[in-house]
Amino acid sequence: EVQLVESGGGLVQPGGSLRLSCAASGFTLSSHWMVWVRQAPGRGLVWVSRINADGGSTIYADPVKGRFTISRDTARNTLYLQMNSLRAEDTAVYFCARLVNGRMDYWGQGTLVTVSS
Amino acid sequence: QSALTQPASVSGSPGQSITISCTGTSSDVGGYNFVSWYQQHPGKAPKLMIFDVSSRPSGVSNRFSGSKSDNTASLTISGLQAEDEADYYCCSYTYSSSYVFGSGTKVTVL
Repeated sequence: EVQLVESGGGLVQPGGSLRLSCAASGFTLSSHWMVWVRQAPGRGLVWVSRINADGGSTIYADPVKGRFTISRDTARNTLYLQMNSLRAEDTAVYFCARLVNGRMDYWGQGTLVTVSS
Repeated sequence: QSALTQPASVSGSPGQSITISCTGTSSDVGGYNFVSWYQQHPGKAPKLMIFDVSSRPSGVSNRFSGSKSDNTASLTISGLQAEDEADYYCCSYTYSSSYVFGSGTKVTVL
């Protein structure tokens, strides 16, 4: 059974850093593309970043470019999102999802990141 | 990349059919068949309902169907049921190899 479990969210001050994790089971990250999607409180879904199967290609949404880094550890079968220089507008629930031929077929339950002083 | 345009809300009575539109540009919806739809109940993770414009994943009711014409994709829910009350988002691949979601539509079953 495919499962994705996010962790690492919490309260952080503006300008601070946080690393989110997404533990995958039931499939291997090294064979799949993955994405991060976020949802600010009461707002819609926003695509954040994507990594390809071999980890050699990454892409980011403009609001996070240069501040966020997507990566994965194939030994741990875990996806990461390193978030630096955090801003209030980064406050959101962050979801990881598996990307298969343009569709996000499995999602985690999300982890809440709150950026506030 | 601006969000794809969806109506904020759509409602219908049980048994009726409703259609949610998702309007983009030739750089996203109109240019690719990688259009998908997601259902999200409050406090829950999104669930894939339609992919590749009109395909349904295994386990999704055939009451859900998708289509596309030019730069607008549509999701139709037929035989509306109480459990269909949720938020719905479209999503498209874009010319810049990124993805863009729609603004979201709240479906209310009257």
